[in-house]
Parts: sequence; C-alpha cells; structure tokens
Amino acid sequence: EDQVTQSPEALRLQEGESSSLNCSYTVSGLRGLFWYRQDPGKGPEFLFTLYSAGEEKEKERLKATLTKKESFLHITAPKPEDSATYLCAVPGAQKLVFGQGTRLTINP
Amino acid sequence: KAGVTQTPRYLIKTRGQQVTLSCSPISGHRSVSWYQQTPGQGLQFLFEYFSETQRNKGNFPGRFSGRQFSNSRSEMNVSTLELGDSALYLCASSLVTSGPYNEQFFGPGTRLTVL
Repeated sequence: EDQVTQSPEALRLQEGESSSLNCSYTVSGLRGLFWYRQDPGKGPEFLFTLYSAGEEKEKERLKATLTKKESFLHITAPKPEDSATYLCAVPGAQKLVFGQGTRLTINP
Repeated sequence: KAGVTQTPRYLIKTRGQQVTLSCSPISGHRSVSWYQQTPGQGLQFLFEYFSETQRNKGNFPGRFSGRQFSNSRSEMNVSTLELGDSALYLCASSLVTSGPYNEQFFGPGTRLTVL
C-alpha cells in the first residue's frame, strides 16, 4: 500500500536556527513528490514538485531534495512567518497520498 | 489569476441533515479533487472529477457524492450527516489530465461542523 511518513510530527526552532524535515515514502514507481505549506484554517499552498532522485528545488529559505526513498525540506535561517504545517504527498495508484505533516514553529 | 474558491467557508449543520459544498477551480483547470481533513486522519481523498466524469474515488461511504459541471465547477454533497463528518473539506484543481500526477492547487476549504 502506498504510504507517506513525515518526521518529526512537530518541531520548534529559534529564529535563525536551520533544520530539516523528512518525508519518507513507499510507492510503486515514483511519479513525483509534492511539498505543501498549510497555515491553520487554510488550504495547503503548493511549494515544490520533485520528479527524480537527486533533484533539488529552492524557494526563499526552503530547499527540497529527493532521494529514492525520501525527501527532505531544508529550512535555512527560518523566520517566525515560516511557522506552518508542511505536508508532503506522492501520487498513488489513483490518488494523491499525503503524510500527516510536520508542524513547524519558529520562535522569535 | 484567481485561485480556487470554495463556498461557503463555514457551515454548521445537525445530524441527519444534508449539505452541499461548492468549488470553482482555477480558470482553465479541468480536474477537481475533493479531500476531507481532520486532525486524526489528516488529508483523505474523496473523489476526483475530470470533464464532468468521476475518475477516481476514495474509501468513503456512499453518503458522500459529487458532480462537475461543464464549466469545471464542482459540488460535493453529504447526506445524512454524522458527527464524524465534521472536518475541513478541501477542493483542489489541476491543469491537465485526470489523475494524481500533476500539481494540485487548493482552495481555502469549507469548515463543516455537525452538531
């Protein structure tokens, strides 16, 4: 069964303290991996698509990387406005399969 | 370009009632997917519509149904509401073909509370 696991469930950092979020997946034949950001009470906001191992994408303080088994979302020198839940998802047989998300809090 | 819009944003219903939620995709997008999001289960896929046809369906009871119109706007209906149906219902649209392989862009969601 297609599965996505994100870790940690929650992460609290100080402003400027860099870290990484993990997304590991089990799917037959990866056809892309998506990262989203979700603020409380809002819909997920699309961040990145990664298609092949070794691929990297960057946006402001975020960089997403992909291997054959997992993806990382690196956050460099985060600011309080980066606080959100970060979701990753992979296409399964007929649907997008989401992880449970990592709730990131950046303290000023 | 306007994003995905969903109406209403908030809804309070009682058990046994039915509800209809509406979604307007990004202009030019033909695929619309619906998700249920709860704290315990996360984002769960309900169904996907493309060119007015349901292409894929998640593991939800028949009380959950939907449809898509010729202008790609979509509605979902939940009949005989249960307390466990309280959730954030999200609609997402994507540009090209049906299926989960393209970026999906989400609306703000409809928060449904069942009393």
